[in-house]
Amino acid sequence: AQSVAQPEDQVNVAEGNPLTVKCTYSVSGNPYLFWYVQYPNRGLQFLLKYITGDNLVKGSYGFEAEFNKSQTSFHLKKPSALVSDSALYFCAVRDLGNAGNMLTFGGGTRLMVKP
Amino acid sequence: EAQVTQNPRYLITVTGKKLTVTCSQNMNHEYMSWYRQDPGLGLRQIYYSMNVEVTDKGDVPEGYKVSRKEKRNFPLILESPSPNQTSLYFCASSFKGSQYFGPGTRLTVL
Repeated sequence: AQSVAQPEDQVNVAEGNPLTVKCTYSVSGNPYLFWYVQYPNRGLQFLLKYITGDNLVKGSYGFEAEFNKSQTSFHLKKPSALVSDSALYFCAVRDLGNAGNMLTFGGGTRLMVKP
Repeated sequence: EAQVTQNPRYLITVTGKKLTVTCSQNMNHEYMSWYRQDPGLGLRQIYYSMNVEVTDKGDVPEGYKVSRKEKRNFPLILESPSPNQTSLYFCASSFKGSQYFGPGTRLTVL
């Protein structure tokens, strides 16, 4: 079975400061990892994904995420937060050996960026 | 424009009255799925379909039905809705593991 944990319900950060949204995962095989963002009253938008290769993945809107196999983590980061980054962020994982293509999502972390 | 569409976007209904939420994608994706989003629980998969006429249960299939008669459409059917099915529903289609989500359908069952 695969699972995802986002340990923080909410992250507060001041505009211009770096931000980190945490995600840890559990899969039996090799992970396929994603971050999505959801703005109010909107659907989920894809931010970035990791399959293989460089552990630091760059995505949309200046976000990046670092894959750490030993810690089974895939934390989302941004060097300088914007007020417009305030949204709900979801981490998701798929076991690459899972032919069913099923994604498992974390519970979500609300990011609040204050001016 | 590549997209996933859902209808209706908002629906208020009563217990026991059958309803269907439609989902359509124009990207020729084989894999489609339905999720429900509830506070603190993230997104949970209801059903998925790997291709036409191939559907399977996700994590929370009870009370739902789906069909996949053609590649582009994947309707979600609630035969007898109950208040615990009040939720925000998302349809998604997938290619090489990347999911593309519809705008969501907010369903309230009274």
